[in-house]
Amino acid sequence: GAGVSQTPSNKVTEKGKYVELRCDPISGHTALYWYRQSLGQGPEFLIYFQGTGAADDSGLPNDRFFAVRPEGSVSTLKIQRTERGDSAVYLCASSFGGPIEAFFGQGTRLTVV
Amino acid sequence: GENVEQHPSTLSVQEGDSAVIKCTYSDSASNYFPWYKQELGKRPQLIIDIRSNVGEKKDQRIAVTLNKTAKHFSLHITETQPEDSAVYFCAASTVGSQGNLIFGKGTKLSVKP
Repeated sequence: GAGVSQTPSNKVTEKGKYVELRCDPISGHTALYWYRQSLGQGPEFLIYFQGTGAADDSGLPNDRFFAVRPEGSVSTLKIQRTERGDSAVYLCASSFGGPIEAFFGQGTRLTVV
Repeated sequence: GENVEQHPSTLSVQEGDSAVIKCTYSDSASNYFPWYKQELGKRPQLIIDIRSNVGEKKDQRIAVTLNKTAKHFSLHITETQPEDSAVYFCAASTVGSQGNLIFGKGTKLSVKP
């Protein structure tokens, strides 16, 4: 596609539920990043994929968060037992490799009620 | 790990004036420094970047300077226009290593007509 696509654009879920957020990177981009952005803050790094493997998952806050990229393209961020503190905009970015010229998607606004 | 500090948090200028946003980083291994512009409710967009092998880079009204010794870099916008109003984020990364981009907390720039 023309840009990084994230779905859904908005997600409201109840505390304790499981959610999946999807990212479609720019075609041909091998690097994919997930970030979380709270109101008035900069993007907070969660995980970085190079191809199918997680090159760096040091930003995942706890074991409720997990991400996959099985075919090296689409990625899914999975959050178990959601908490109100998980409410934020989840951003995905992709690039041809590493952080150089990483392009962001529009984000998924997650609200846990 | 890397830590990026950004100042000021808010900046208000008159149309036509210059704006300067400054960032410092902690990891001397960082070698890639992009700047992103984020308008309200939209995705962060890459506006300019610089690598550690150069001290300055310009693109029309935007320039970025890097001082590796002092570990700080700055964004300069000249002849500001109302459409420059947005939140600007600096970031730092180590290309060839982990590759994750660490962001500052952002500067809200307001350009008054």
